[in-house]
Amino acid sequence: EAQLVESGGGLLQPGGSLRLSCVGSGFTFSNYWIHWVRQAPGKGLVWVARISTDGSSTTYGDSVRGRFTISRDNAKNTLYLQMNSLRAEDTAVYYCAKGGTYYYMDVWGKGTTVTVSS
Amino acid sequence: QSVLTQPPSVSAAPGQKVTISCSGSSSNIGNNYVSWYQQLPGTPPKLLSYDNDKRPSGIPDRFSASKSGTSATLDITGLQTGDEADYYCGAWDSSLYAVVFGGGTKLTVL
Repeated sequence: EAQLVESGGGLLQPGGSLRLSCVGSGFTFSNYWIHWVRQAPGKGLVWVARISTDGSSTTYGDSVRGRFTISRDNAKNTLYLQMNSLRAEDTAVYYCAKGGTYYYMDVWGKGTTVTVSS
Repeated sequence: QSVLTQPPSVSAAPGQKVTISCSGSSSNIGNNYVSWYQQLPGTPPKLLSYDNDKRPSGIPDRFSASKSGTSATLDITGLQTGDEADYYCGAWDSSLYAVVFGGGTKLTVL
């Protein structure tokens, strides 16, 4: 069974940095695009970023472009999200999700919580 | 303000049918595939439908999705109390070059 497990969330101050990780298992990690999606408390889903199978292509949502960097290490079956210049509005549960053929997400992790507050 | 527009809430009685709409534009729904997700309270989203109208294995045929023009719909028949959840539509937006989601629809089974 395909699984994704996120980690690395925490509480930090505005302007800080954090790196999230997502480990995949039960499927050939290197064959799939992977996404990050976030959800602020009580709010809807917001797409953050995606990365191609070999990491050569990345795409970001407007709200994080220039501050966040998505990367992957296929040898470790691990996806990363480097988050810099964090703002209060980045507070959310961050999910990693395995990508399907046409931009859908068919396997989701349980999420990791990031709280940005002074 | 979400790029895709969904009603904030819908409700129906057990056993009945409900339809959730998702409205977009030519840059997203009109020219790209639509997916639907179910999010039960306190859990991550779960894929309900992809490529406009396909169901992943394990999703009951009570859930059916369709697309017409720049709108999509998710029909749920034979409603059960366990269907109470938030439902989201999603699609690629060719102009924004991003995945976009609807704001979500909260389903209440009365």
